Amino acid sequence: QVQLQESGPGLVKPSETLSLRCSVSGGSISSFYWSWVRQPAGKGLEWLGRIYGNGYTEYNPSLESRVTMSVDMSNNQLSLKLWSLTAADTAMYYCARHMGRNDGLDVWGRGTTVTVSS
Amino acid sequence: QSVLTQPPSVSGPPGQRVTISCSGSTSNIGSTYVYWYQQLPGTAPKLLIFRDDQRPSGIPDRFSGSKSGSSASLAISGLRSEDEADYYCATWDDSLSPPYVFGTGTKVTVL
Repeated sequence: QVQLQESGPGLVKPSETLSLRCSVSGGSISSFYWSWVRQPAGKGLEWLGRIYGNGYTEYNPSLESRVTMSVDMSNNQLSLKLWSLTAADTAMYYCARHMGRNDGLDVWGRGTTVTVSS
Repeated sequence: QSVLTQPPSVSGPPGQRVTISCSGSTSNIGSTYVYWYQQLPGTAPKLLIFRDDQRPSGIPDRFSGSKSGSSASLAISGLRSEDEADYYCATWDDSLSPPYVFGTGTKVTVL
């Protein structure tokens, strides 16, 4: 079965760029849509955007100017880059797989914590 | 602020039936499927209901979803202590932002 594992730096300084990876095992990236979702401590879920295996992306307009998602087919990995970080970007970040093109998220990673602080 | 509104909390004793509402609009719930996610403390969300009322394999039939117009509901019957969690509705939105939206979330407490 498909499993997702996020990884990242943990602590990033304000104004710097965040780079996260999501390793996909047990299945191929190519035929699915993949989303990134984040959750500040004690708060709700925020959809950041999604990417298809061919590289097609859709982003949350609230972040579109400073987010990029990509796929690395050779390593079966997804990546998220978010720049110009502020404390408001401190959150748990999840990657997740869509069941279909405009369908729900049926497989989630455990998440990786990101703290933005100097 | 999410375009999908849920009550902040609902509670009930073990065995009771509780419902969680999710209010949206014609551009989201009114025109596409609704999904429900359960998030147990300290864990990632899990898909609980998909396409309005379908349960993934392994989800007990105590959980049921329904939709009417621009609102949806999640019902939990025979409430159990392990149901204590946060629950989020989600759907696609035809308006500009963002395409996939989560509800505000509801904390279910088993008394």
